[in-house]
Amino acid sequence: SAVISQKPSRDICQRGTSLTIQCQVDSQVTMMFWYRQQPGQSLTLIATANQGSEATYESGFVIDKFPISRPNLTFSTLTVSNMSPEDSSIYLCSVDPSYNEQFFGPGTRLTVL
Amino acid sequence: AQRVTQPEKLLSVFKGAPVELKCNYSYSGSPELFWYVQYSRQRLQLLLRHISRESIKGFTADLNKGETSFHLKKPFAQEEDSAMYYCARLNAGGTSYGKLTFGQGTILTVHP
Repeated sequence: SAVISQKPSRDICQRGTSLTIQCQVDSQVTMMFWYRQQPGQSLTLIATANQGSEATYESGFVIDKFPISRPNLTFSTLTVSNMSPEDSSIYLCSVDPSYNEQFFGPGTRLTVL
Repeated sequence: AQRVTQPEKLLSVFKGAPVELKCNYSYSGSPELFWYVQYSRQRLQLLLRHISRESIKGFTADLNKGETSFHLKKPFAQEEDSAMYYCARLNAGGTSYGKLTFGQGTILTVHP
């Protein structure tokens, strides 16, 4: 199993600013995933972050808007850049340490005014 | 693209009644399917996976390849089953390995 923490748990931001979300895992994992859950919507994968390589982004998501860092095997950050109200969502990170079950963080609830 | 469809956004039943949450997937080889649950104020967690054919908290789900379905069932619902349920499919192979595609989710409410 894996225990994941995220910071911040929630934030309210002004449009045009950026927010960096941190994800910490209690064990070393190869892949970390970042999801977005817009209000009333399902989870959508933003990108996959592997240590030592560039993140792989899903269709509709770009590095300039959602830069990701993965400095080591237990930590990753997702930045939401130049925010607009449409970016208001819950952002979740997850890991799959044994390739058969994903564990999710508690999420970061972002509101953009 | 692989798709997962949960046709019911809301589902309400009374305690003790049977419950079935529907999930259909787009056909592609041998899928690996999961049910995730999110209780109020808790994080998303795995409920069960089809490959282990297990029963968790009284819930079961059978993969029906002919109907491309993976419905979640429980014969007698309990109030503590009230939660958001997501059906998800694991993408396998190539650059998609390890990624989950989620359905839209079904909010289950079990009334006393």
